Amino acid sequence: EAEVAQSPRYKITEKSQAVAFWCDPISGHATLYWYRQILGQGPELLVQFQDESVVDDSQLPKDRFSAERLKGVDSTLKIQPAELGDSAMYLCASSLASGTAYFGPGTRLTVL
Amino acid sequence: QKEVEQNSGPLSVPEGAIASLNCTYSDRGSQSFFWYRQYSGKSPELIMFIYSNGDKEDGRFTAQLNKASQYVSLLIRDSQPSDSATYLCAVRGNNDMRFGAGTRLTVKP
Repeated sequence: EAEVAQSPRYKITEKSQAVAFWCDPISGHATLYWYRQILGQGPELLVQFQDESVVDDSQLPKDRFSAERLKGVDSTLKIQPAELGDSAMYLCASSLASGTAYFGPGTRLTVL
Repeated sequence: QKEVEQNSGPLSVPEGAIASLNCTYSDRGSQSFFWYRQYSGKSPELIMFIYSNGDKEDGRFTAQLNKASQYVSLLIRDSQPSDSATYLCAVRGNNDMRFGAGTRLTVKP
């Protein structure tokens, strides 16, 4: 069964350091989402790609966060510099157009 | 006003009972609606989706949608302890997918 892959699964870093997360969507899924989920809250959309184009990054803190999907397949989300408040689960999901979104296992980030 | 609202709970039901989870949304143009289950420390997994007004059944789960009231619900029949999790309501508008904060359900043996 096709799955969304994410790495790393866990990341511990010190504040002011740079971190990067990688996501490989289900093959053929043109839409890719990055969500941030703080403990006890629902997933918050950070950025959405359609193929290689960003269609929504209104909630992405652009002073420190960046995301790319250069070839319209896998994607990288970067934080530089990391802050204490960035500690959260970072979830990647993919879908066919406006279909169901399927999630990867997530990356648990802890900023010390 | 939050775009997607859920009662955060916790909701506690005895084993074998019906659990009822509710969700309201603000965007009248929303087109599709999803229920995800999330176990602690894990990522959300899809339970079911619904696009049209009315009920949709899948095993022990029934989703109900009322677009006029901007309301969607999930019923879990014959609740089992393994159903204990957080249930997330998600709403898709023109393009994006927004989530509620989730309702934590506990099914007691």
